Amino acid sequence: GAGVSQSPSNKVTEKGKDVELRCDPISGHTALYWYRQSLGQGLEFLIYFQGNSAPDKSGLPSDRFSAERTGGSVSTLTIQRTQQEDSAVYLCASSPGPDSYTEAFFGQGTRLTVV
Amino acid sequence: GQNIDQPTEMTATEGAIVQINCTYQTSGFNGLFWYQQHAGEAPTFLSYNVLDGLEEKGRFSSFLSRSKGYSYLLLKELQMKDSASYLCAVDRDYKLSFGAGTTVTVRA
Repeated sequence: GAGVSQSPSNKVTEKGKDVELRCDPISGHTALYWYRQSLGQGLEFLIYFQGNSAPDKSGLPSDRFSAERTGGSVSTLTIQRTQQEDSAVYLCASSPGPDSYTEAFFGQGTRLTVV
Repeated sequence: GQNIDQPTEMTATEGAIVQINCTYQTSGFNGLFWYQQHAGEAPTFLSYNVLDGLEEKGRFSSFLSRSKGYSYLLLKELQMKDSASYLCAVDRDYKLSFGAGTTVTVRA
């Protein structure tokens, strides 16, 4: 696609349920980021994928959070046993990679509400 | 995030100039980005600096001093549509880290 695509755009889930958020990066982009943005807050780094390297998971807030990137393209962020504090907008971004000094392009985000 | 500091809020009048400062830790620095984010929307790219100096792009300019760990975004001839959050982001070791953002409110 022409841009970064995220699905679903909105997700309401009950506390304790698992959710999966999907990100389709721009074709050919080797770098992929997940960020979380709570209401009125800045972007909180979650995880970073670069090519075939081991992902940087240093931003994941707990072991309930995990992410995969299959075939170097689509990524899925999974939150297990969701809690109310997980409610936020989850943003995915992709960029061409570390050798290209160009900007990261963001998807429109998934707004997660845990009730 | 990761010691990227910028003011929380700024208010200015339509037609005026506003300067948003950003300071950061210099270790592993590869470049600095500014993004604009309107309420409820995804961030969009504004500017990129990797060398010291001023980069001008229309009404927006961005300055970088690598030795001081300092950047600013200058918005000139402010328009109502410039009301948004402005995010400073540092490419450190090829990973983007964002500041909390500066909310700019433009008043008539």
